Amino acid sequence: DAGVIQSPRHEVTEMGQEVTLRCKPISGHDYLFWYRQTMMRGLELLIYFNNNVPIDDSGMPEDRFSAKMPNASFSTLKIQPSEPRDSAVYFCASSPRQGAYNEQFFGPGTRLTVL
Amino acid sequence: AQSVAQPEDQVNVAEGNPLTVKCTYSVSGNPYLFWYVQYPNRGLQFLLKYITGDNLVKGSYGFEAEFNKSQTSFHLKKPSALVSDSALYFCAVRDMGGNKPLVFGKGTRLSVIA
Repeated sequence: DAGVIQSPRHEVTEMGQEVTLRCKPISGHDYLFWYRQTMMRGLELLIYFNNNVPIDDSGMPEDRFSAKMPNASFSTLKIQPSEPRDSAVYFCASSPRQGAYNEQFFGPGTRLTVL
Repeated sequence: AQSVAQPEDQVNVAEGNPLTVKCTYSVSGNPYLFWYVQYPNRGLQFLLKYITGDNLVKGSYGFEAEFNKSQTSFHLKKPSALVSDSALYFCAVRDMGGNKPLVFGKGTRLSVIA
């Protein structure tokens, strides 16, 4: 199994530009999570999906952030317009359907720098 | 509400010495508890988890953790630290009654000095 796949691994963009981060969860996993990690705030949950449906997006910081999961094997996190304070590492994670005892499997992350 | 506290931002230990990274939790019911490790420029990797049964859980890379219900703690331990253990460690909790996302602590940076 390839694990959770994220692209791109690094993104440098200018303030005001649109940024799209991509995630492919592990096949067969029904839950998908988007996290943001910064030195100041640590690891923050932004949104999570169950069977492609958004369950809780209360962690999404502003309307500039949006996430979609059009099918079981693909999700995007979009920032439009981007701002320097969005600079962070964004992680996608997935977990299987059965049981609250399941761990979450993390992707390698996308390091976003907004200039 | 679920929460996790990692009281130490940084732990320094000499190579070959035992290490402990502390974690306490708060849940309304019984907990599922997890430890993850993050190496530089990498994602979080699962180390071990407590579900039920034996309070001492063994995981990857020689790590273990002890569940203590009375102290609501789940400290991570290793008998002999390696320089390669230097990383950021996260404790996480989920209430047994639900399937919500894991709640993570702020992380503890472990530095093992040769």
